Amino acid sequence: DSGVTQTPKHLITATGQRVTLRCSPRSGDLSVYWYQQSLDQGLQFLIQYYNGEERAKGNILERFSAQQFPDLHSELNLSSLELGDSALYFCASSPEVGEPYEQYFGPGTRLTVT
Amino acid sequence: GENVEQHPSTLSVQEGDSAVIKCTYSDSASNYFPWYKQELGKRPQLIIDIRSNVGEKKDQRIAVTLNKTAKHFSLHITETQPEDSAVYFCADYNAGNMLTFGGGTRLMVKP
Repeated sequence: DSGVTQTPKHLITATGQRVTLRCSPRSGDLSVYWYQQSLDQGLQFLIQYYNGEERAKGNILERFSAQQFPDLHSELNLSSLELGDSALYFCASSPEVGEPYEQYFGPGTRLTVT
Repeated sequence: GENVEQHPSTLSVQEGDSAVIKCTYSDSASNYFPWYKQELGKRPQLIIDIRSNVGEKKDQRIAVTLNKTAKHFSLHITETQPEDSAVYFCADYNAGNMLTFGGGTRLMVKP
């Protein structure tokens, strides 16, 4: 157990809908990262938040957005869902102070768009 | 943007043999290179990492080497065991303040 929690574990929804994925980082970690892992593909970095502020942005679609709240949990919002958005979405956290640190991954949320 | 290439995409070895996975990166500012192991349906877990001021690091049966001049780094697993079977990802932490992952290597260790 990495100490990072994600809810829900599974999510099935229809095209055009909107969903929210939630992540709670390890106690004390200020940075949260979101990744998308499609079938037979690697991990694609989406976005990073550090202590409530956006820190880095990867290949995140405009239909996707995220935020980090004062209690440091983060939410990833996916809207106007398409079949191709079906994937495993991982959240990771790290202390992120100074040098790069190990990122601890949560168990993931499996999103299926039908 | 940064690009990390990983080879091979699949690797099959006999139990007890060694396995080597290689990655190349493009951003000369990259300074941190972790390796993650992901079992089927599970989260990626860090198995070893190396920083740019070190050329080699070892942890029991696992070692990583880094050649900054050539911009490549490798994972070496010795005395492989069936439980080593998984997908392995290399990554680098680059000037964009993000981890860029390689495409993954599916390692199969045959008993």
